[in-house]
Amino acid sequence: EPEVTQTPSHQVTQMGQEVILRCVPISNHLYFYWYRQILGQKVEFLVSFYNNEISEKSEIFDDQFSVERPDGSNFTLKIRSTKLEDSAMYFCASRERGIRLFFGSGTQLSVL
Amino acid sequence: DQQVKQNSPSLSVQEGRISILNCDYTNSMFDYFLWYKKYPAEGPTFLISISSIKDKNEDGRFTVFLNKSAKHLSLHIVPSQPGDSAVYFCAAHNFGNEKLTFGTGTRLTIIP
Repeated sequence: EPEVTQTPSHQVTQMGQEVILRCVPISNHLYFYWYRQILGQKVEFLVSFYNNEISEKSEIFDDQFSVERPDGSNFTLKIRSTKLEDSAMYFCASRERGIRLFFGSGTQLSVL
Repeated sequence: DQQVKQNSPSLSVQEGRISILNCDYTNSMFDYFLWYKKYPAEGPTFLISISSIKDKNEDGRFTVFLNKSAKHLSLHIVPSQPGDSAVYFCAAHNFGNEKLTFGTGTRLTIIP
């Protein structure tokens, strides 16, 4: 079965640094997402992306966050100035036309 | 935001018996419900879904029941197998929105 791939699997950064999390969604999918899960908490929606623009975002997705699909295959999440509370597992997801999301295996971000 | 709740953080079931995972929701605009399974260090994997116009959907060992009047759904796994040990998330889709709203998850342990 096709997969969503995410790199890196682990990212450690210092507070205030910029990080870019990378994702390659399934090739024929049209809708792209970022979710995150803080340890022990629920999976939270961050942002959805369709037709080269953000279609919906949560209140978590503030000005420190941005997304980009630079080349038609990659989908990136950038955090400009990381905070301690950004430490979480970040999941990329994609879908074709139905409701079902396909998730990647995640990037564990640790902000020190 | 507690629109989707899974009130049991954990559940232990003997191998071969039935596992029943429960989920409650508050938003009557949800039009689809999905169950995802998550192993450690992996992304959520889709299991089964149900439309709000149905009350039951079955796929092999997995059956989801929806009680709209009670705003409650449940996932039945029978017979339970050791490989079913994972965290199970209930998720809901709101008509007109992009995102899925997840519950906090239930950790299912199948005892051999």
